[in-house]
Amino acid sequence: GAVVSQHPSWVICKSGTSVKIECRSLDFQATTMFWYRQFPKQSLMLMATSNEGSKATYEQGVEKDKFLINHASLTLSTLTVTSAHPEDSSFYICSANPGFTGELFFGEGSRLTVL
Amino acid sequence: QKEVEQDPGPLSVPEGAIVSLNCTYSNSAFQYFMWYRQYSRKGPELLMYTYSSGNKEDGRFTAQVDKSSKYISLFIRDSQPSDSATYLCAMRPRGTPLVFGKGTRLSVIA
Repeated sequence: GAVVSQHPSWVICKSGTSVKIECRSLDFQATTMFWYRQFPKQSLMLMATSNEGSKATYEQGVEKDKFLINHASLTLSTLTVTSAHPEDSSFYICSANPGFTGELFFGEGSRLTVL
Repeated sequence: QKEVEQDPGPLSVPEGAIVSLNCTYSNSAFQYFMWYRQYSRKGPELLMYTYSSGNKEDGRFTAQVDKSSKYISLFIRDSQPSDSATYLCAMRPRGTPLVFGKGTRLSVIA
């Protein structure tokens, strides 16, 4: 299957700092990528849809100024958690669709811990 | 009623058993159906993908879709301890984000 790479896989930061998470499609171009958040023992919650070259579409209840998404190229989307607080600690996962099928492939996820 | 219903389990089976995982859905516009396996602290791994009613087999895994009943299943034959994970069903209409089930936690006991 298609490969989606996410970096970093684990990050610890101090409260008030910003953290950037990268999502790359390694063997295909993705005009659309999706960002999810997952709490322990719960399913994935869609945060936003990232569109190459345009603004991201955020789900209801997700603060767009807190979670900045940039999709600068067909293979890279970034999620920046700004002024992070302990309640932002979570598992963040990106996904992408190669476009020629309905399948969606996920990255390995990034675990954020805010102290 | 939620769009996708999935029993969260946990489900515990002996090694070698046949496992049946199921999801029901309410949105008749869903066209694409997927099953993901997720190990703890890892991203979901796509196991099966289908877009039509019927069965699709891949090794020990069989995905079944019944659009008339709005019901999908994943069967795992000869289950192994390495199959212990959370299994997520997911589906979507064309051009929209995936809708996930809550996931079923499976333990295969050696």
